[in-house]
Amino acid sequence: DAGVTQSPTHLIKTRGQQVTLRCSPKSGHDTVSWYQQALGQGPQFIFQYYEEEERQRGNFPDRFSGHQFPNYSSELNVNALLLGDSALYLCASTRTGVGGYTFGSGTRLTVV
Amino acid sequence: GENVEQHPSTLSVQEGDSAVIKCTYSDSASNYFPWYKQELGKRPQLIIDIRSNVGEKKDQRIAVTLNKTAKHFSLHITETQPEDSAVYFCAASVAGGGADGLTFGKGTHLIIQP
Repeated sequence: DAGVTQSPTHLIKTRGQQVTLRCSPKSGHDTVSWYQQALGQGPQFIFQYYEEEERQRGNFPDRFSGHQFPNYSSELNVNALLLGDSALYLCASTRTGVGGYTFGSGTRLTVV
Repeated sequence: GENVEQHPSTLSVQEGDSAVIKCTYSDSASNYFPWYKQELGKRPQLIIDIRSNVGEKKDQRIAVTLNKTAKHFSLHITETQPEDSAVYFCAASVAGGGADGLTFGKGTHLIIQP
């Protein structure tokens, strides 16, 4: 049973560019959340998708947007990249009503 | 919004001794409190969680206690082993059933000295 899978594992982008990160949830899960983890810090909640809609959003600017597809997979898009966007981006999935989040291994984004 | 404070930031204990990590939260509506272990370069892994209708939960060498009145919860690891060395994060959420995001503490780097 595959867990949460994320792609790519590593990415280097130039300041001002746009990036798309991808996540496939664990089998049986219908809810996907995205987190940003800066070096030496705890993960920070970006937003959560359920039934193809953004259900909740953390304190992140509109440059961060997302999408959920009918198969529950999800994308995170970041526009106009800043050096401060360099971080590990984690995807977590769960089944709404059951709870318990499973994390993927993350995408390491470096903005230069 | 919710704010989670975690202490200490670094904890060094002798192998075989116990380790305790403490967290406080601000939102009295929070009712789900998981703990995650993250090894260097790896994903956070859920090690134990507790809901607000329970005061204590134990799983082998790991236990979590919750004091809703004081709004704090703690992770207890007994008989520590070298493989327990990692960063541990506490978190809190209101919905608990997956309907909202988790608010994390800043983490505790646990070092097990041989």
